[in-house]
This record gives sequence, C-alpha cells and structure tokens, in this order.
Amino acid sequence: DIVMTQSPESLAVSLGERATINCKSSQSLLYSSNNKNALGWYQQKPGQPPKLLFYWASTRESGVPDRFSGSGSGTDFTLTISSLQTEDVAVYYCHQYYRGSRTFGQGTKVEIK
Amino acid sequence: QEQLVESGGGLVKPGGSLRLSCAASGFTFSDYYMSWIRQAPGKGLEWISYISSTSGTYTKYAESVKGRFTISRDNAKNSLYLQMNSLRGDDTAVYYCAKEGSGGGYIWGQGTMVTVSS
Repeated sequence: DIVMTQSPESLAVSLGERATINCKSSQSLLYSSNNKNALGWYQQKPGQPPKLLFYWASTRESGVPDRFSGSGSGTDFTLTISSLQTEDVAVYYCHQYYRGSRTFGQGTKVEIK
Repeated sequence: QEQLVESGGGLVKPGGSLRLSCAASGFTFSDYYMSWIRQAPGKGLEWISYISSTSGTYTKYAESVKGRFTISRDNAKNSLYLQMNSLRGDDTAVYYCAKEGSGGGYIWGQGTMVTVSS
C-alpha cells in the first residue's frame, strides 16, 4: 500500500500569515494517461466530517476560498493557506487514490499563534 | 443537493456483528464508486473499503478489516452497506460513508458511531 506522510504534525501560524502543509507519498501518484496526480486534500473541524478542498492535487472544490492552494506532483505535494483566518483552524489530511487501496496522511493540526 | 446519511451504529460486544447502512440522495448513486472510511476517537482517518460503480463488481479492503467486513450496494435502493463481523475494540470509531467523485475527491456523510465494548 502507498504510505502518505504529512509534515508537520501541527503548526501554529499568526492570523494573516502563510501556513504550509507537506504531504509525501511512498510512490508516484501521477497518472501518465491524463498527467494528473491522484491526490486530495481535506479539512476537518471538530465534530464535523472532513470537507474536500482539492482533488487532482490542485483542482479546487467549488466554494473553497482562493487563499487555499494545492500544488505538487509525483510524490511531493503541498497545501498552502496564503493568509490564515480563524475559520481555518482545523486538521488537514492528504489522501491518495492512485490505485487499489486508498490511504490518508496522519493529519496536520493548524492553530492560531 | 447530494446527501449521504449513515445509520446502524451502536454498542456491540467484542466478537459481535453490526450492519451499517448509508442512504444516498441527490445524485445518480449507481454511477459512483463508494467507500467506507472510519475515524477512531481522537485519531486520523482510515480508509477501509470501496465498491465499484454500477454492478459493484470490484471491492477492495484495508488489511485491518479484510475477511471480517463486507461492503455491498443496492442501486435500486440508493444504498451502501457495510457488514461488520468479529468486531474488536480497535474497530471502535465513527464510520463515514463517502462518494468518490469523478475527480477522486470524497463527499462525506455525517458518520455513525460504532463502539465495541463488553
């Protein structure tokens, strides 16, 4: 199975500052057929189910603010919040759906400094 | 709009069985792969199973549940199921039903809690 490793486990960022979360997969998630990476990002707030932010690594789901961006290819991916807002406090997960079994990263907790 | 509603959770003794259901609405259920994902209290997300679209010919399971859990679907009823047998304490979790979109991203239900305890 593909192992997804997120870093850091947690981070505290001042309001309005940039937050960066990294996700590394144990093998490439790039489909040669469509040149897209099978990688999604989710936001989970306490007591709620996860919410889809990005799929294909960088395609923003409808309604997601543009301060969020997803990037990367192959085995290395990044979720960036360009200007952290109070409502962005949450745990963020990456998720691969390349082939066969799906797997999630262990999560990154984002807090306000 | 698209909606997924899980049911069937509860308290069960170790070694017992439980069947979870997920009622789908707002989209053409048969067109999509569906998954079950769980989250133990205070822990991260664990994908446990998916079933292919249309006839549900293809299924896949995480090693942690293989041989104990069975995923199935009834497209006529717009419903997804998870039969859980030989339950253990480490199966205690919120169980989410999720639709896998054409781009691969999940749309989630609200979840149902399963507690395995004597």
